[in-house]
Amino acid sequence: QLQLQESGPGLVKTSETLSLTCTVSGGSISSSYYYWGWIRQPPGKGLEWIGSIYYSGSTYNNPSLKSRVNISVDTSKNQFSLKLSSVTAADTAVYYCARLRAATSDFDYWGQGALVTVSS
Amino acid sequence: QTVVTQEPSLTVSPGGTVTLTCASSTGAVTSGYYPNWFQQKPGQAPRALIYSTSNKHSWTPARFSGSLLGGKAALTLSGVQPEDEAEYYCLLYYGGAYVFGTGTKVTVL
Repeated sequence: QLQLQESGPGLVKTSETLSLTCTVSGGSISSSYYYWGWIRQPPGKGLEWIGSIYYSGSTYNNPSLKSRVNISVDTSKNQFSLKLSSVTAADTAVYYCARLRAATSDFDYWGQGALVTVSS
Repeated sequence: QTVVTQEPSLTVSPGGTVTLTCASSTGAVTSGYYPNWFQQKPGQAPRALIYSTSNKHSWTPARFSGSLLGGKAALTLSGVQPEDEAEYYCLLYYGGAYVFGTGTKVTVL
């Protein structure tokens, strides 16, 4: 059974960089069939796609966040990571990682989510 | 900026049927947008229900079905159960980018 688990600091200071890692177990991140994605949800609000990465390192990011987002992959650790720079209170959210099936463009398996609060 | 719009809220009686829709600000939704549907209950991660317009995951109950309806993606819940009360989100693919819908709160009453 595939599992994804987010990890990282739950509190980040304003203007600093948010860093999260997603560890994949029960499957290989290097499979050619999948991308891996980040999605976030501010408290009480809807979902927002942040970006996706292939095991080769190629990425697609949300244009509204593009200049602040960096997504990377570490195939040796079966992990992928998110860095979001220059954060503000508006970046406070639950951050989810998920598997994206390339052929059908669907997010099928999700992590449980990690709440990150941005505060001065 | 592309906006994907859903009904804010819908109410349905137990055993009834309800249809949620998903509209794109760019025009008619087609199968090329690979519509996804997700269910989210309070405090939980979203759960995938439907992909590529009408395909169900192995865990998706038979009472959930997806389609295209009048230029929109649609999710129909038939024989609604109390446990179907949740927020539902659609997701559309725009050639390398993804946009979630605004979400529909379904109340079973």
